[in-house]
Amino acid sequence: GIQVEQSPPDLILQEGANSTLRCNFSDSVNNLQWFHQNPWGQLINLFYIPSGTKQNGRLSATTVATERYSLLYISSSQTTDSGVYFCAVDAGGTSYGKLTFGQGTILTVHP
Amino acid sequence: GAVVSQHPSWVICKSGTSVKIECRSLDFQATTMFWYRQFPKQSLMLMATSNEGSKATYEQGVEKDKFLINHASLTLSTLTVTSAHPEDSSFYICSASLTGPYEQYFGPGTRLTVT
Repeated sequence: GIQVEQSPPDLILQEGANSTLRCNFSDSVNNLQWFHQNPWGQLINLFYIPSGTKQNGRLSATTVATERYSLLYISSSQTTDSGVYFCAVDAGGTSYGKLTFGQGTILTVHP
Repeated sequence: GAVVSQHPSWVICKSGTSVKIECRSLDFQATTMFWYRQFPKQSLMLMATSNEGSKATYEQGVEKDKFLINHASLTLSTLTVTSAHPEDSSFYICSASLTGPYEQYFGPGTRLTVT
């Protein structure tokens, strides 16, 4: 099956700093989503981005499908950005519609 | 974005009993629902995919007789953990989408503790 690798595994920032999270995947994908899992376990949809670039406030994401990676940018980080960020992909074929998750990046933002 | 609810949010049960978890899409008709399991400090692992009106398909290694899934309508799927044991204690999360490579929306999760 498809492999999804996220880096870095842990990231510690001071409030106001910028960061880039990376997601590499081993095969072509039909779908790629970024999520933020809050301390209560809720997965919050950040981006649905199988290709191209999107922005939503302080967050933006870029997926370069031909090179099999996606980046999530967080600017002017806030303490409420803390949590786990997951990248998940749908590889299609026999996995059509199913998401395979990376191991996540644990982000801690200090005041 | 679309809203998915789960009930209960947490449950404690005794070993050997069964527990039912409900997943509802509140503002759209979900032709496909998914059930995931997440152990502490780990990622989400897909357990099964359910399509309305048909049998669920289970991922390799998931016991279909232990984790019963019913997708009775376009807005409701249920997961029943039968004869639960302490090793079934976990965080169970559902998601819902239209069929295909569409955006999935996740419920808030159900924390199951089996004593």
